[in-house]
Amino acid sequence: DAGVIQSPRHEVTEMGQEVTLRCKLISGHNSLFWYRQTMMRGLELLIYFNNNVPIDDSGMPEDRFSAKMPNASFSTLKIQPSEPRDSAVYFCASDITGAGELFFGEGSRLTVL
Amino acid sequence: GENVEQHPSTLSVQEGDSAVIKCTYSDSASNYFPWYKQELGKRPQLIIDIRSNVGEKKDQRIAVTLNKTAKHFSLHITETQPEDSAVYFCAATQKLTFGTGTRLTIIP
Repeated sequence: DAGVIQSPRHEVTEMGQEVTLRCKLISGHNSLFWYRQTMMRGLELLIYFNNNVPIDDSGMPEDRFSAKMPNASFSTLKIQPSEPRDSAVYFCASDITGAGELFFGEGSRLTVL
Repeated sequence: GENVEQHPSTLSVQEGDSAVIKCTYSDSASNYFPWYKQELGKRPQLIIDIRSNVGEKKDQRIAVTLNKTAKHFSLHITETQPEDSAVYFCAATQKLTFGTGTRLTIIP
C-alpha cells in the first residue's frame, strides 16, 4: 500500500478563495483524522471520522471549515472562504479503530495571501 | 476533553547523553499513550507507545514510562545520536490529542 495520500502538497491562494484538500486512506483503515499544524499551536485535531461518520468535529475552527467522507477511502477538507490565519500544514491520518498507531500523510502546506 | 501538556519545548543534548521529555494528561480515562517523531518537513511517525496496563516499555534506545496515578508519562532516549534530532510529540487517548511538541537537538 502507498500509505495515506494527500493532495495538493502545496497550495498558495488568495484570501477569500475556496480551498479543497484531499486525502486517501490506507486500504482497510476505518478511522480518519484531520490535523492542522502551526508553529504556535502545534498539532490540532480538527475532526475525525469512524466508518465514514463524523465522530467529533469540535476542533473545526468555524463554519468556514467543512469535512466530508463520501466513501470509505476518501475524505476532503474544505475552507470557504479562506483567510491568511488558515495558513498551516494540514495532515490527514488514518488507522484501524482501536489499533493505536496513526499513519500520517505527507501533509498539505497551505498559504493564504 | 483531554488536555496534554508537554515539557520542555526545546532540549539540547550532547551526543551520547540521554534525553527525557515529559507529558501530563488530564483525562483519567485515557488508556493509550504514543510518541511520534517528526523530522523537519516530514510527517509525524510513531516511535513507541504504551497502554495503561503497563508501567514501562522499551525498544532499543527508546523507552516510555507511565504513571497513571500522577497522570504523566515520559520518553527516554539513551545514547543519543545526531539522527535523533527532531520534534517529538506525545499524545493521549484514542482520539489522539497531541502535546505541543519538543524540539530535540543533538549536539555532535
